[in-house]
Amino acid sequence: QKEVEQDPGPLSVPEGAIVSLNCTYSNSAFQYFMWYRQYSRKGPELLMYTYSSGNKEDGRFTAQVDKSSKYISLFIRDSQPSDSATYLCAMKKEYNQGGKLIFGQGTELSVKP
Amino acid sequence: SAVISQKPSRDICQRGTSLTIQCQVDSQVTMMFWYRQQPGQSLTLIATANQGSEATYESGFVIDKFPISRPNLTFSTLTVSNMSPEDSSIYLCSVPGQGARGYTFGSGTRLTVV
Repeated sequence: QKEVEQDPGPLSVPEGAIVSLNCTYSNSAFQYFMWYRQYSRKGPELLMYTYSSGNKEDGRFTAQVDKSSKYISLFIRDSQPSDSATYLCAMKKEYNQGGKLIFGQGTELSVKP
Repeated sequence: SAVISQKPSRDICQRGTSLTIQCQVDSQVTMMFWYRQQPGQSLTLIATANQGSEATYESGFVIDKFPISRPNLTFSTLTVSNMSPEDSSIYLCSVPGQGARGYTFGSGTRLTVV
């Protein structure tokens, strides 16, 4: 079993839709959770960062962590064609900079005008 | 956050040859990381490169296949040696953010081995 599971999609939605992206994980030691966005032929860029359980909002993006269920989500409101990219969840156990980052497979999202 | 320049951006190589990928950071960093992203797969950590010491390799990756240099606090190279088509992948370098924050990535090197 992979430590982090993410549906690879592809996911196609119309412009303006609410998008829900999810990851599950198996190791309860994970405490720091991230979402990355990766455009085609680019490196991943950090989109959202959360610590432990709870919600965090940044503009149209909301990250949600439920540690009891080992489940994290990223919601995108009023989705735009420019949101079309691959979204990767990532998590780590330690606070220090050397902590290993474990990634999900990535979900490919396409927002149609 | 740090800005990373990685090159080459892509290359097509013959099997049995080697390719060296360069990663330049605009600030001094203690750790640099090298990842591999195979088609349809998640990012997998190859090794951690610390300046002044040998790189630390993850399970499944060995120094003979992926030698790494880290001559100073802003630069690192990863060599993919004796390449086979199975090495076709995107290779990314990365540096850590502040505290527990996620890492910053270079734009990647898209390698195709024929």
